[in-house]
Amino acid sequence: EVQLLESGGDLVQPGRSLRLSCAASGFAFSTYGMGWVRQAPGKGLEWVSVITGSGTSTFYGDSVKGRFTMSRDNSKNTVYLQMNGLRAEDTATYYCAKVTKVGASWFEDWGQGTLVIVSS
Amino acid sequence: DIPMTQFPSSVSASVGDRVTMTCRTTQDIGTRLGWYQQKPGSAPKLLIYAGSTLQSGVPSRFSAGGSGTVFTLTIASLQPEDFATYFCQQAHRFPLTFGGGTRVEIK
Repeated sequence: EVQLLESGGDLVQPGRSLRLSCAASGFAFSTYGMGWVRQAPGKGLEWVSVITGSGTSTFYGDSVKGRFTMSRDNSKNTVYLQMNGLRAEDTATYYCAKVTKVGASWFEDWGQGTLVIVSS
Repeated sequence: DIPMTQFPSSVSASVGDRVTMTCRTTQDIGTRLGWYQQKPGSAPKLLIYAGSTLQSGVPSRFSAGGSGTVFTLTIASLQPEDFATYFCQQAHRFPLTFGGGTRVEIK
């Protein structure tokens, strides 16, 4: 059974940094791309980032490019999202998700989410 | 970016009804579209990918179609557990983009 467990969400002041983690189990982790998708309270879904299985390529949404960095440690079956220069508009539940292996990036398994609140 | 527009934004329906919702893009994305279901307090769930392919375990009352710029998701006979919000997502190119969602409510 695929399990994705996010952690690291917190209340943080604007301009500060935070690192989210997502521990994965139940599948061949290093062979799957992984992603982060966020959802502001009461709002829709917003794609944040994707990383390839090897970790050699990453892709980011325009609103986080240059501020957020996604990485992975395949020896620990874990992906990370380093968030710098946080803004109030980054307040959201952040979901870790496993990317499909069908030639395009859809998200076939999701974690339960971790809440990030950016406020002074 | 490829903007995704979903309509209606909400629909009221009864158990047993047939419900159809639409997702539209401004650029041709072939069939690189997926649909998700999200219930309150829960993570989204992938229902459909590649325009019309049912994800494993998804009931056959869900179907989807379309290509290019217009796509539809249909629930053939609405069940109590189907009341949720549905999102489309294009996977044609980065940045990946989602539609604003269609909320299916109980009439």
